[in-house]
Amino acid sequence: AQKITQTQPGMFVQEKEAVTLDCTYDTSDPSYGLFWYKQPSSGEMIFLIYQGSYDQQNATEGRYSLNFQKARKSANLVISASQLGDSAMYFCAMRRSNFGNEKLTFGTGTRLTIIP
Amino acid sequence: GAGVSQSPSNKVTEKGKDVELRCDPISGHTALYWYRQRLGQGLEFLIYFQGNSAPDKSGLPSDRFSAERTGESVSTLTIQRTQQEDSAVYLCASSFPAGATYEQYFGPGTRLTVT
Repeated sequence: AQKITQTQPGMFVQEKEAVTLDCTYDTSDPSYGLFWYKQPSSGEMIFLIYQGSYDQQNATEGRYSLNFQKARKSANLVISASQLGDSAMYFCAMRRSNFGNEKLTFGTGTRLTIIP
Repeated sequence: GAGVSQSPSNKVTEKGKDVELRCDPISGHTALYWYRQRLGQGLEFLIYFQGNSAPDKSGLPSDRFSAERTGESVSTLTIQRTQQEDSAVYLCASSFPAGATYEQYFGPGTRLTVT
């Protein structure tokens, strides 16, 4: 079975500062994929970034980067130069395989609030 | 292009009634997923379709829950004899059968309230 743990229920960060959202995972599968999604107050789930378990480099997408430490089973999301629009719930999720259509297992989320 | 759509956006029903929730995936996305999100919690997987078949139904919480998909397109999630604990947002997602990440694209959800 797979499990995602997000230990920060809420975070407050000053605008323009960088923020790290923690995510640890547990799986016995050798191949897996890790995702981060953003859920604003409007409710939609927005895909941010993906990391495959065999990827050698950390994934980056604009201001988002994923700090992947395989031995520690962690996949922290780093947002650089935070903006007011970054205020939202953030969910870490994993998929059993490195590719293909499989269900996602989600963590409980972190509510990020950016302070002007 | 059009994203995943769901209807209704809100549904209030009385305990014991049946409800049907609809999902229209992105055109060409052969994989379709249903998730449930209770208030203040993460998403729980319910069922996954590949085409019109459901290879993974492991998340359906009871036999009151069922889902079908037709024409490799629209899917309907049916909850029979609704209970108050069924109150949640039901999210549908779809994904393309190829690509680097196979990320799932989510609809806006249906908020179900059982009174």
